[in-house]
Amino acid sequence: DTGVSQDPRHKITKRGQNVTFRCDPISEHNRLYWYRQTLGQGPEFLTYFQNEAQLEKSRLLSDRFSAERPKGSFSTLEIQRTEQGDSAMYLCASSSLLGGSYNEQFFGPGTRLTVL
Amino acid sequence: KNEVEQSPQNLTAQEGEFITINCSYSVGISALHWLQQHPGGGIVSLFMLSSGKKKHGRLIATINIQEKHSSLHITASHPRDSAVYICAASTGTASKLTFGTGTRLQVTL
Repeated sequence: DTGVSQDPRHKITKRGQNVTFRCDPISEHNRLYWYRQTLGQGPEFLTYFQNEAQLEKSRLLSDRFSAERPKGSFSTLEIQRTEQGDSAMYLCASSSLLGGSYNEQFFGPGTRLTVL
Repeated sequence: KNEVEQSPQNLTAQEGEFITINCSYSVGISALHWLQQHPGGGIVSLFMLSSGKKKHGRLIATINIQEKHSSLHITASHPRDSAVYICAASTGTASKLTFGTGTRLQVTL
C-alpha cells in the first residue's frame, strides 16, 4: 500500500499524559498537513510542512502541541499534558506539486484520540 | 459565519433518488474539493474543481465561481453511497483546506 499511513489508529490515554502520533506520507510528497476533527464537525487545519520546514501553524495549535518532520519524510505530532478537549480524530494528508499546485491532498486513515 | 457552509446537514433518501448537496464559501479559493468520509474516519477525495463541472460515474460536481457556490449531485442513489460528504476550499499559498461541517447522507432501500 503506497497511500498515507498513520499510527496508531486509536489511542486512549489519561488526562495529563503525553501522546505522539506518526504520519507517513506518500513517497516523494513534499507537503504534509495535519488536521483535527472533533465529533460531528469538519476537520480543521493545524499545521503543514514543506519538506522539513514547518511553514504555518494554526492558533488551534497551543504550546502543548508540537509537530516535526525531521527528514522531510514522516512527521510526528506530539500533545503534552493531554486534556479532555484534545479528544478528536487527527488526520494527516500529503500532496505534491502537480500541475502547478499542491491542491490535491491525499488523506491517511486518521488517529482517533480519546482522553479520559 | 463559517467560511465554508454546507446544506443540508443531514439527508435521508430512498434508493434511486437524485441527491443534491450544496456548498457556499466566502473565501478566495484556488480549488473546491468534495470529499467522502465513511464511519471510521478515512477521507477520500471525490472531486477537485476550480471551474465548471466534473462527472465521475453517478457523481457530478459543479461550481459557480461568481456566486461562490458548488453542488454535488448523486444520480440513482444507492445504500453504498451512505457516508458523510464534505466540501472543502483550498486557500492561499499553503493550499490548506478549510472544511464545511459535512452532510450526513443515509440512503435506504
